[in-house]
Amino acid sequence: SQKIEQNSEALNIQEGKTATLTCNYTNYSPAYLQWYRQDPGRGPVFLLLIRENEKEKRKERLKVTFDTTLKQSLFHITASQPADSATYLCALAEANQAGTALIFGKGTTLSVSS
Amino acid sequence: DVKVTQSSRYLVKRTGEKVFLECVQDMDHENMFWYRQDPGLGLRLIYFSYDVKMKEKGDIPEGYSVSREKKERFSLILESASTNQTSMYLCASRRTAQETQYFGPGTRLLVL
Repeated sequence: SQKIEQNSEALNIQEGKTATLTCNYTNYSPAYLQWYRQDPGRGPVFLLLIRENEKEKRKERLKVTFDTTLKQSLFHITASQPADSATYLCALAEANQAGTALIFGKGTTLSVSS
Repeated sequence: DVKVTQSSRYLVKRTGEKVFLECVQDMDHENMFWYRQDPGLGLRLIYFSYDVKMKEKGDIPEGYSVSREKKERFSLILESASTNQTSMYLCASRRTAQETQYFGPGTRLLVL
């Protein structure tokens, strides 16, 4: 069966450390992966998109990698801050499925303590 | 900036009522989506629309219908609300399949 899994429901780290979140998928051929941030009671906010032919993408303190062999994406936040505390969602869209909606993982809730 | 708005942030309805949730986007996006989000279940797709008057069922369409008469507006209809439809409802839009999906702020619906 098809699955997209974020293997930690919760991650607790100290301020200044790097947070690494994992997204694994099974039986999909994604054209791209996206990462979103969601704060309690609010809609998800887009952070980064990485395509199947890209290995790595960066935006300020954020970095995403995409390994189609391992069927995995890693999302890193360097020099983490308490304001980074939120739930992070990964989502994928399959290749050759022009009209396909994004499929979301259940999210990892990150808590950064000062 | 892309803006996706939803008609209500909070809504309380009675069992059996017909409920309308409205979503409007201001960026001429082709695709629009309705999700619901529940603790432990994540975001689940209810319906989506490629274009005006087009609609496709998502993973959990039962008990819902949609309407897209204009490009910028996508409505979700609960024909006869039930308590198991208490949830956070999220609307999203995107220009094409290869582009970012933008979400609205969500409507928290409570059905009593």
